Amino acid sequence: NAGVTQTPKFQVLKTGQSMTLQCAQDMNHEYMSWYRQDPGMGLRLIHYSVGAGITDQGEVPNGYNVSRSTTEDFPLRLLSAAPSQTSVYFCASSPLQTYQQGANYGYTFGSGTRLTVV
Amino acid sequence: AQSVTQLDSQVPVFEEAPVELRCNYSSSVSVYLFWYVQYPNQGLQLLLKYLSGSTLVESINGFEAEFNKSQTSFHLRKPSVHISDTAEYFCAVGIQGAQKLVFGQGTRLTINP
Repeated sequence: NAGVTQTPKFQVLKTGQSMTLQCAQDMNHEYMSWYRQDPGMGLRLIHYSVGAGITDQGEVPNGYNVSRSTTEDFPLRLLSAAPSQTSVYFCASSPLQTYQQGANYGYTFGSGTRLTVV
Repeated sequence: AQSVTQLDSQVPVFEEAPVELRCNYSSSVSVYLFWYVQYPNQGLQLLLKYLSGSTLVESINGFEAEFNKSQTSFHLRKPSVHISDTAEYFCAVGIQGAQKLVFGQGTRLTINP
């Protein structure tokens, strides 16, 4: 069981270039999300999705696009990379939480993509 | 909206000493609380969680956390740390019915021999 797979693990981009960070999960999780991790700022939510065809913005969505055409995949696109987007990016997934108390509610994280924009 | 504050960005301790990593949250509704651990160059792993019931929750590797509703806290403790506990620890809060988790800034735990 692979869990959450992120590719690539490392990437260097030039300012203005575009790229797609890939995220795939094999646990049939409805909820998927992208975070960026910066020193002293913890994890900040970029975009999230509660199912195929449904996406929404998080705390820091500017400069990023997402789509969710299948349950398994949730790619993150940088349209025109900027040095401010240098960060470590994490994809996370979970079952869709219900209103039942005690529902299992914990994210499974990928191993991250370290992106440097020069 | 909910928020999380981890009061210490770095905590250095000696091996076999006790440690407490502090976490306070803010929310107007009932919350779920989590601690995640990130070992060097890895993703985050769930350490323990509070959903309901007993306010004291434990992990398999000796950590425990206590949910204190009156003080809006969820501090993480271990009575005796090991070198292998060196990692960054993140507190997170979620609310019932909502999928998003809000994470704290992280606390880097460094164990000195």
